[in-house]
Amino acid sequence: AQSVAQPEDQVNVAEGNPLTVKCTYSVSGNPYLFWYVQYPNRGLQFLLKYITGDNLVKGSYGFEAEFNKSQTSFHLKKPSALVSDSALYFCAVRRSTGANNLFFGTGTRLTVIP
Amino acid sequence: DVKVTQSSRYLVKRTGEKVFLECVQDMDHENMFWYRQDPGLGLRLIYFSYDVKMKEKGDIPEGYSVSREKKERFSLILESASTNQTSMYLCASSSPPAGRETQYFGPGTRLLVL
Repeated sequence: AQSVAQPEDQVNVAEGNPLTVKCTYSVSGNPYLFWYVQYPNRGLQFLLKYITGDNLVKGSYGFEAEFNKSQTSFHLKKPSALVSDSALYFCAVRRSTGANNLFFGTGTRLTVIP
Repeated sequence: DVKVTQSSRYLVKRTGEKVFLECVQDMDHENMFWYRQDPGLGLRLIYFSYDVKMKEKGDIPEGYSVSREKKERFSLILESASTNQTSMYLCASSSPPAGRETQYFGPGTRLLVL
């Protein structure tokens, strides 16, 4: 079976400071990992994914994530937070049962304080 | 750009009513998914479909059914709505290769069952 943990329900960061949203996973085989963002009253938008290759993945809106196999983590990062980054962030992993769909974490609400 | 549309943004229904949620995608995607999103629980998969007339149960299929008569359309049916089905419902679509696909989400339908 697979699992995704987002240990922080809420993350607050000052505008201009670096931000990190944490994600750890458990999956059989090679992990396929994803980050999505949800702005208020909107559906989810894809940010980035790790399938294979370079452990540092760059995505939309200046976000990046680092795949760390030894720590089974895939933390989302941005060097300088913007107020407009305030949203709900979801980490997801491809299911290990052979089904071609994703298992999502419970989400982390990021608030960037002006 | 991929576009996934959902028939309603907000719905209010009464207990016992039959409820239809419609989802249409315009990118000829093979895969379509229905999730519900609840605070603190993240996204949970209700049903998914890999092809026309094909459906698979997700994690929480009880009380729901689905229909996929055409490739672009995936309907979620609440046979007899109950108050515990009050939630945000999100539809998504994706295209193979298996396991690597990015899911594209609709804006969501917020359903209130009274």
